[in-house]
Amino acid sequence: GAGVSQSPSNKVTEKGKDVELRCDPISGHTALYWYRQSLGQGLEFLIYFQGNSAPDKSGLPSDRFSAERTGGSVSTLTIQRTQQEDSAVYLCASSLGAYRQTRYGYTFGSGTRLTVV
Amino acid sequence: KQEVTQIPAALSVPEGENLVLNCSFTDSAIYNLQWFRQDPGKGLTSLLLIQSSQREQTSGRLNASLDKSSGRSTLYIAASQPGDSATYLCAVSPYTGANSKLTFGKGITLSVRP
Repeated sequence: GAGVSQSPSNKVTEKGKDVELRCDPISGHTALYWYRQSLGQGLEFLIYFQGNSAPDKSGLPSDRFSAERTGGSVSTLTIQRTQQEDSAVYLCASSLGAYRQTRYGYTFGSGTRLTVV
Repeated sequence: KQEVTQIPAALSVPEGENLVLNCSFTDSAIYNLQWFRQDPGKGLTSLLLIQSSQREQTSGRLNASLDKSSGRSTLYIAASQPGDSATYLCAVSPYTGANSKLTFGKGITLSVRP
Protein backbone atom coordinates (compact mmCIF):
# COMPACT_ATOMS: atom_id res chain seq x y z
CA GLY A 1 0.00 0.00 0.00
CA ALA A 2 0.90 3.65 -0.10
CA GLY A 3 1.57 3.90 3.62
CA VAL A 4 1.95 1.91 6.79
CA SER A 5 -1.41 0.51 7.82
CA GLN A 6 -2.29 -0.43 11.40
CA SER A 7 -5.39 -2.13 12.72
CA PRO A 8 -7.48 -1.74 14.71
CA SER A 9 -7.22 2.01 15.17
CA ASN A 10 -8.78 1.71 18.61
CA LYS A 11 -9.07 -1.23 20.96
CA VAL A 12 -10.72 -1.40 24.36
CA THR A 13 -10.12 -4.60 26.28
CA GLU A 14 -10.70 -5.96 29.75
CA LYS A 15 -7.78 -6.48 32.07
CA GLY A 16 -6.42 -10.00 31.72
CA LYS A 17 -7.47 -10.48 28.09
CA ASP A 18 -5.06 -11.02 25.21
CA VAL A 19 -4.89 -8.57 22.31
CA GLU A 20 -3.34 -8.63 18.85
CA LEU A 21 -2.28 -5.52 16.99
CA ARG A 22 -1.52 -5.61 13.30
CA CYS A 23 0.90 -3.67 11.14
CA ASP A 24 1.11 -3.79 7.34
CA PRO A 25 4.29 -1.99 6.23
CA ILE A 26 5.01 -0.27 2.96
CA SER A 27 5.67 -2.79 0.22
CA GLY A 28 9.40 -3.38 -0.20
CA HIS A 29 10.35 -2.06 3.24
CA THR A 30 12.47 -4.70 4.92
CA ALA A 31 12.78 -3.04 8.32
CA LEU A 32 9.82 -2.84 10.69
CA TYR A 33 9.69 -1.28 14.15
CA TRP A 34 7.14 -1.21 16.97
CA TYR A 35 7.06 1.71 19.39
CA ARG A 36 4.80 2.53 22.32
CA GLN A 37 3.65 5.99 23.34
CA SER A 38 2.18 6.27 26.82
CA LEU A 39 0.31 9.34 28.05
CA GLY A 40 2.78 12.12 28.78
CA GLN A 41 5.74 9.97 27.79
CA GLY A 42 8.00 9.85 24.78
CA LEU A 43 8.05 7.06 22.27
CA GLU A 44 9.49 3.85 23.65
CA PHE A 45 11.14 1.32 21.33
CA LEU A 46 9.70 -2.19 21.61
CA ILE A 47 10.98 -4.48 18.84
CA TYR A 48 12.71 -4.39 15.45
CA PHE A 49 12.58 -6.76 12.47
CA GLN A 50 15.08 -6.67 9.62
CA GLY A 51 14.56 -9.08 6.76
CA ASN A 52 15.09 -12.68 7.84
CA SER A 53 17.38 -11.79 10.73
CA ALA A 54 16.48 -12.56 14.32
CA PRO A 55 14.42 -9.66 15.71
CA ASP A 56 15.81 -7.24 18.27
CA LYS A 57 13.45 -7.71 21.20
CA SER A 58 15.44 -5.61 23.64
CA GLY A 59 12.65 -3.09 24.17
CA LEU A 60 9.83 -5.46 25.08
CA PRO A 61 8.79 -4.54 28.65
CA SER A 62 7.84 -8.05 29.79
CA ASP A 63 7.36 -11.62 28.58
CA ARG A 64 3.66 -10.85 28.11
CA PHE A 65 4.68 -9.00 24.96
CA SER A 66 5.63 -10.80 21.76
CA ALA A 67 5.70 -10.03 18.07
CA GLU A 68 6.10 -11.87 14.84
CA ARG A 69 6.51 -10.94 11.24
CA THR A 70 5.23 -13.34 8.64
CA GLY A 71 6.78 -13.56 5.20
CA GLY A 72 8.84 -10.47 5.82
CA SER A 73 5.74 -8.31 5.56
CA VAL A 74 2.82 -8.10 8.00
CA SER A 75 3.65 -7.98 11.70
CA THR A 76 1.51 -8.80 14.72
CA LEU A 77 2.20 -7.52 18.23
CA THR A 78 0.56 -9.68 20.88
CA ILE A 79 0.01 -8.65 24.49
CA GLN A 80 -1.07 -11.43 26.80
CA ARG A 81 -2.97 -10.95 30.06
CA THR A 82 -3.24 -7.20 29.51
CA GLN A 83 -2.72 -4.82 32.42
CA GLN A 84 -3.90 -1.24 32.81
CA GLU A 85 -0.34 0.03 32.42
CA ASP A 86 -0.36 -1.43 28.90
CA SER A 87 -2.79 1.33 27.87
CA ALA A 88 -0.96 3.38 25.24
CA VAL A 89 -0.75 4.13 21.56
CA TYR A 90 1.19 1.44 19.73
CA LEU A 91 2.93 2.75 16.63
CA CYS A 92 4.47 0.76 13.82
CA ALA A 93 7.06 2.13 11.40
CA SER A 94 8.83 0.74 8.39
CA SER A 95 11.88 1.74 6.37
CA LEU A 96 13.83 0.52 3.37
CA GLY A 97 16.34 -1.19 5.63
CA ALA A 98 18.60 -0.65 8.61
CA TYR A 99 21.21 0.95 6.40
CA ARG A 100 18.96 2.70 3.95
CA GLN A 101 16.85 3.97 6.80
CA THR A 102 19.70 6.22 7.65
CA ARG A 103 19.20 7.95 4.34
CA TYR A 104 15.43 7.87 3.92
CA GLY A 105 14.06 7.75 7.44
CA TYR A 106 11.01 6.07 8.84
CA THR A 107 7.36 6.07 7.80
CA PHE A 108 4.95 5.64 10.68
CA GLY A 109 1.44 4.25 10.74
CA SER A 110 -1.42 6.03 12.50
CA GLY A 111 -1.18 3.76 15.50
CA THR A 112 -3.50 1.62 17.59
CA ARG A 113 -4.88 3.23 20.74
CA LEU A 114 -5.17 0.47 23.34
CA THR A 115 -7.25 1.02 26.46
CA VAL A 116 -7.26 -1.63 29.15
CA VAL A 117 -10.21 -1.30 31.55
CA LYS B 1 22.81 6.05 26.59
CA GLN B 2 21.42 8.63 24.19
CA GLU B 3 18.99 11.14 25.67
CA VAL B 4 16.96 13.63 23.66
CA THR B 5 15.50 16.72 25.32
CA GLN B 6 12.94 19.16 24.00
CA ILE B 7 12.25 22.30 26.01
CA PRO B 8 9.77 23.82 26.58
CA ALA B 9 7.12 21.09 26.63
CA ALA B 10 4.49 23.51 25.35
CA LEU B 11 4.46 26.77 23.45
CA SER B 12 1.69 29.18 22.49
CA VAL B 13 2.20 31.91 19.89
CA PRO B 14 0.00 34.29 17.88
CA GLU B 15 -0.59 33.57 14.24
CA GLY B 16 2.05 34.96 11.90
CA GLU B 17 4.93 34.71 14.32
CA ASN B 18 8.20 33.08 13.32
CA LEU B 19 9.29 30.52 15.90
CA VAL B 20 12.08 28.12 16.76
CA LEU B 21 11.70 24.72 18.40
CA ASN B 22 14.77 23.32 20.11
CA CYS B 23 16.08 19.79 20.43
CA SER B 24 19.24 18.64 22.21
CA PHE B 25 20.89 15.23 22.41
CA THR B 26 23.66 13.91 24.63
CA ASP B 27 25.59 11.61 22.26
CA SER B 28 26.88 13.32 19.14
CA ALA B 29 27.55 9.99 17.39
CA ILE B 30 24.36 10.13 15.37
CA TYR B 31 23.69 9.14 11.78
CA ASN B 32 20.71 11.42 11.26
CA LEU B 33 18.09 13.47 13.01
CA GLN B 34 14.44 13.54 12.06
CA TRP B 35 11.65 15.98 12.95
CA PHE B 36 8.11 14.65 13.14
CA ARG B 37 4.70 16.19 13.60
CA GLN B 38 1.94 14.47 15.58
CA ASP B 39 -1.65 15.67 15.58
CA PRO B 40 -3.90 14.69 18.52
CA GLY B 41 -4.91 11.04 18.31
CA LYS B 42 -2.83 10.50 15.18
CA GLY B 43 0.43 8.87 14.20
CA LEU B 44 3.66 10.62 13.28
CA THR B 45 4.28 12.49 10.06
CA SER B 46 7.88 12.97 8.98
CA LEU B 47 8.73 16.62 8.33
CA LEU B 48 12.47 16.79 7.73
CA LEU B 49 15.43 14.41 7.87
CA ILE B 50 18.96 15.75 8.30
CA GLN B 51 21.93 13.50 7.69
CA SER B 52 24.85 13.88 10.12
CA SER B 53 26.95 15.37 7.32
CA GLN B 54 24.37 18.08 6.62
CA ARG B 55 23.80 21.38 8.37
CA GLU B 56 20.19 22.06 7.43
CA GLN B 57 17.16 20.98 5.45
CA THR B 58 14.25 23.06 4.19
CA SER B 59 10.70 22.24 3.22
CA GLY B 60 8.30 25.08 2.56
CA ARG B 61 7.98 27.20 5.70
CA LEU B 62 10.07 24.75 7.71
CA ASN B 63 13.82 24.80 8.15
CA ALA B 64 15.72 22.38 10.35
CA SER B 65 19.33 22.85 11.35
CA LEU B 66 21.78 20.45 12.93
CA ASP B 67 24.91 21.16 14.98
CA LYS B 68 26.11 17.67 15.71
CA SER B 69 29.19 18.64 17.71
CA SER B 70 27.13 20.63 20.20
CA GLY B 71 24.26 18.14 20.20
CA ARG B 72 21.60 20.55 19.01
CA SER B 73 18.95 20.89 16.37
CA THR B 74 16.37 23.56 15.74
CA LEU B 75 13.15 23.55 13.74
CA TYR B 76 12.28 26.98 12.41
CA ILE B 77 8.68 27.65 11.41
CA ALA B 78 8.09 30.80 9.40
CA ALA B 79 4.85 32.76 9.47
CA SER B 80 3.07 30.31 11.77
CA GLN B 81 -0.56 29.37 11.10
CA PRO B 82 -3.27 27.81 13.30
CA GLY B 83 -2.90 24.66 11.19
CA ASP B 84 0.65 24.30 12.52
CA SER B 85 -0.78 23.50 15.95
CA ALA B 86 0.48 20.03 16.83
CA THR B 87 3.17 18.23 18.80
CA TYR B 88 6.63 18.33 17.23
CA LEU B 89 9.07 15.55 18.05
CA CYS B 90 12.71 15.19 17.18
CA ALA B 91 14.45 11.83 17.04
CA VAL B 92 18.03 10.72 16.46
CA SER B 93 19.36 7.58 14.84
CA PRO B 94 22.59 6.04 16.13
CA TYR B 95 25.72 5.90 14.02
CA THR B 96 25.82 2.13 13.90
CA GLY B 97 23.53 0.73 11.27
CA ALA B 98 22.82 -2.67 12.76
CA ASN B 99 19.63 -1.44 14.37
CA SER B 100 18.73 2.11 13.58
CA LYS B 101 16.10 2.47 16.26
CA LEU B 102 15.29 6.07 17.00
CA THR B 103 15.59 7.83 20.33
CA PHE B 104 12.80 10.39 20.67
CA GLY B 105 12.34 13.52 22.68
CA LYS B 106 9.02 13.97 24.48
CA GLY B 107 7.93 16.62 22.04
CA ILE B 108 6.87 20.24 22.08
CA THR B 109 3.14 20.93 21.89
CA LEU B 110 2.64 24.03 19.78
CA SER B 111 -0.52 26.11 19.79
CA VAL B 112 -0.88 28.89 17.21
CA ARG B 113 -3.62 31.34 18.20
CA PRO B 114 -5.69 32.94 15.41
